[in-house]
Amino acid sequence: DAGVTQSPTHLIKTRGQQVTLRCSPKSGHDTVSWYQQALGQGPQFIFQYYEEEERQRGNFPDRFSGHQFPNYSSELNVNALLLGDSALYLCASIGGELFFGEGSRLTVL
Amino acid sequence: AQSVTQPDIHITVSEGASLELRCNYSYGATPYLFWYVQSPGQGLQLLLKYFSGDTLVQGIKGFEAEFKRSQSSFNLRKPSVHWSDAAEYFCAVGSLKAGNNRKLIWGLGTSLAVNP
Repeated sequence: DAGVTQSPTHLIKTRGQQVTLRCSPKSGHDTVSWYQQALGQGPQFIFQYYEEEERQRGNFPDRFSGHQFPNYSSELNVNALLLGDSALYLCASIGGELFFGEGSRLTVL
Repeated sequence: AQSVTQPDIHITVSEGASLELRCNYSYGATPYLFWYVQSPGQGLQLLLKYFSGDTLVQGIKGFEAEFKRSQSSFNLRKPSVHWSDAAEYFCAVGSLKAGNNRKLIWGLGTSLAVNP
């Protein structure tokens, strides 16, 4: 049984560009949450998807958007990248606890 | 307001010594309580969780935590620390019950260093 998988694991972008991060939840889990973890910080909740709809959102601008597909996988999109968007982006699926992927480390130059 | 406080940003202990990491929370109801560990460059791994029942919960890697409702605390303990325990530890609280409001609130983490 595969756990939560995320891709890509590392990527480098420049300011103003757009990025798409992908997540496949643990088998049988229908809810996906995305978190941003800046260096030396705890995870910050971005948003959560359930039944292909955004159900909750943290304090992040509209540049951060997402999508959930019928197979429960999810994407996180960030437009107009800023230097401050450099972080580890974690996807988690919910099943009695949060199961985390290894994350996608985004560096914005 | 809902919040989680981990008062100790950084702790250093000697290998074999006991460990206690503190976590205090503010939440409207009794939340689900979690401790996660993160090694450098890695994702988060669940150490233990408390939903209800016995307030002393056992986790993986020899860790345990005690929920104290009166103190709004959920401190993590280990009787004898191993060098491999060096990592970042996060306390999180929230609700994961079925429905829309499934979200965890996270502390800023405690960085644990272990001296040989």
